[in-house]
Amino acid sequence: GQNIDQPTEMTATEGAIVQINCTYQTSGFNGLFWYQQHAGEAPTFLSYNVLDGLEEKGRFSSFLSRSKGYSYLLLKELQMKDSASYLCAFTDSNYQLIWGAGTKLIIKP
Amino acid sequence: IAGITQAPTSQILAAGRRMTLRCTQDMRHNAMYWYRQDLGLGLRLIHYSNTAGTTGKGEVPDGYSVSRANTDDFPLTLASAVPSQTSVYFCASSDGVGKPDTQYFGPGTRLTVL
Repeated sequence: GQNIDQPTEMTATEGAIVQINCTYQTSGFNGLFWYQQHAGEAPTFLSYNVLDGLEEKGRFSSFLSRSKGYSYLLLKELQMKDSASYLCAFTDSNYQLIWGAGTKLIIKP
Repeated sequence: IAGITQAPTSQILAAGRRMTLRCTQDMRHNAMYWYRQDLGLGLRLIHYSNTAGTTGKGEVPDGYSVSRANTDDFPLTLASAVPSQTSVYFCASSDGVGKPDTQYFGPGTRLTVL
């Protein structure tokens, strides 16, 4: 079967660093996406990893280990506007996205 | 450029009524998708279309139907709404078919079935 798991909620302090983990199980894998979703809004694309390793994009970085079925999203220099839900999703063998339930990130001053 | 638009923004519907949620994209993307998002659950795929004239069933298709008469429009119809269809519905599109590709989402429709 297929499944994907991420923590329900995390809290961090403005200016700090936070790592949001995502684990998945699937027989067919074609890459992993991270999306950001502010409350009441649509998800927006953050990153895509298909090869093992770290992809850096400004304050946000995403890591993938295919052998471990594991990814994380690293957010540096946290700002209040980073308060949102972060969704991970992997692409299965049919190129459909299988989504995690999302991690709600709360930033405190 | 509007991207993807959805209508209505929100709707309260009596159980048993028929309802069509509209979705239009102006990016000339090949693929379009309908998801529902419920608290504590991930986005779940209802139906998809890889190209105009074709549609496919996703993870939770029962009670829903779609059509794709042209590239831009992908309406979702609830033939006889039930309270379990209360949810936020997102339409999305992507350029790629048969390969991983970024999906772009509309603003969503919040539907309440009473």
